[in-house]
Amino acid sequence: DQQVKQNSPSLSVQEGRISILNCDYTNSMFDYFLWYKKYPAEGPTFLISISSIKDKNEDGRFTVFLNKSAKHLSLHIVPSQPGDSAVYFCAASAGGADGLTFGKGTHLIIQP
Amino acid sequence: DTEVTQTPKHLVMGMTNKKSLKCEQHMGHRAMYWYKQKAKKPPELMFVYSYEKLSINESVPSRFSPECPNSSLLNLHLHALQPEDSALYLCASSRAGLRGPGELFFGEGSRLTVL
Repeated sequence: DQQVKQNSPSLSVQEGRISILNCDYTNSMFDYFLWYKKYPAEGPTFLISISSIKDKNEDGRFTVFLNKSAKHLSLHIVPSQPGDSAVYFCAASAGGADGLTFGKGTHLIIQP
Repeated sequence: DTEVTQTPKHLVMGMTNKKSLKCEQHMGHRAMYWYKQKAKKPPELMFVYSYEKLSINESVPSRFSPECPNSSLLNLHLHALQPEDSALYLCASSRAGLRGPGELFFGEGSRLTVL
């Protein structure tokens, strides 16, 4: 059963507007969440993370929001740029040396 | 440029071949990972090495055999693979620690095709 869910396989946004990517999780042991960006034929690259003790983390155009009670996080990109077109993976960790559990990804397409 | 280097970038092998995928990092990270990713699917964890010891093996078939010669190197030995094993194999590393793996640094992946 999927513990990290990204229910939108794709999202199309106009350049300059806000992109909002959503992620839900079911495992209440997860305490650290990350977003990765992936271009075709490349490995995922880290974008931004948030610990469960916070509800918001901001880095330039990227902001991640965490709602623990709803087990929901979102990534906001504003303003969206053509280079943001990629697949975005939400990932979660339950601590220890375990790897990350990934969602299926959302393909973000920025329209000129 | 990624700081996790994977070789080869592409590999085509028959079902009776024996080959290896290699991964190297020089960031001083003590945890290294193998993930498998098929098209339109999320990366799936295969193995975790923490301080050069295998700590997680997610019930991966024995035709995949990981090896961690030292803290900078991670190999994945392949033997008698099946066509359904064709995928992108991603290596990653992290600082590791009690609070979790933190950020994983991924290599560009090795695209494996099994004929």
